[in-house]
Amino acid sequence: EVQLVESGGGLVQPGGSLRLSCAASGFTFSRYWMHWVRQAPGKGLVWVSRINSDGSDTSYADPVKGRFTISRDNAKNTLYLQMNSLRAEDTAVYYCASYDSSEGYFDYWGQGSLVTVSS
Amino acid sequence: DIVMTQTPLSSPVTLGQPASISCRSSQSLVHSDGNTYLSWLQQRPGQPPRLLIYKISNRFSGVPDRFSGSGAGTDFTLKISRVEAEDVGVYYCVQATQFPYTFGQGTKLEIK
Repeated sequence: EVQLVESGGGLVQPGGSLRLSCAASGFTFSRYWMHWVRQAPGKGLVWVSRINSDGSDTSYADPVKGRFTISRDNAKNTLYLQMNSLRAEDTAVYYCASYDSSEGYFDYWGQGSLVTVSS
Repeated sequence: DIVMTQTPLSSPVTLGQPASISCRSSQSLVHSDGNTYLSWLQQRPGQPPRLLIYKISNRFSGVPDRFSGSGAGTDFTLKISRVEAEDVGVYYCVQATQFPYTFGQGTKLEIK
């Protein structure tokens, strides 16, 4: 059974930092691109970042470019999102999602981790 | 960025009746490799998204056959042949043809 389990969310002050983790199991993690997608309270889904299978190529949405860093440890089957200089508008549930790059779809999603940026 | 526009934003449906959701992209979703990377996701209340349809019309593993997708170019449709109570939630189209990947704003399916 495929499982993606996020952790590391919480309450942080504006300007602060958090690191999200996504532990993967039930599939060959090292073969998959991985993505972070966020959802502000009561809002829709917004793509945040992606990383290719070996970690050599990354992309970011403009609102987080220069502040967020995606990375992965294939030996630990874990995806990360380092979030710095957090703003109120970063408040959201952050989902990690696996991506089948040959078929072009997000096939599995984690349960999400809530990040709240507030003073 | 490619803008994805869904209609309607809310769809009250009677149990057992069909439902249809439209998704239009601001530019063609045909990739240079000839594929069209348009998917549909379902998000039930309090749950993460779940893949229903990929590459316009392919049902993902375990998805009931009452869900179907169609379309081409910039216009796409998700159809539910007979709505069941478990289908309540928000449905999103998403394009993976061009970075940044973009989602529609979501269509809330509710029971009348």
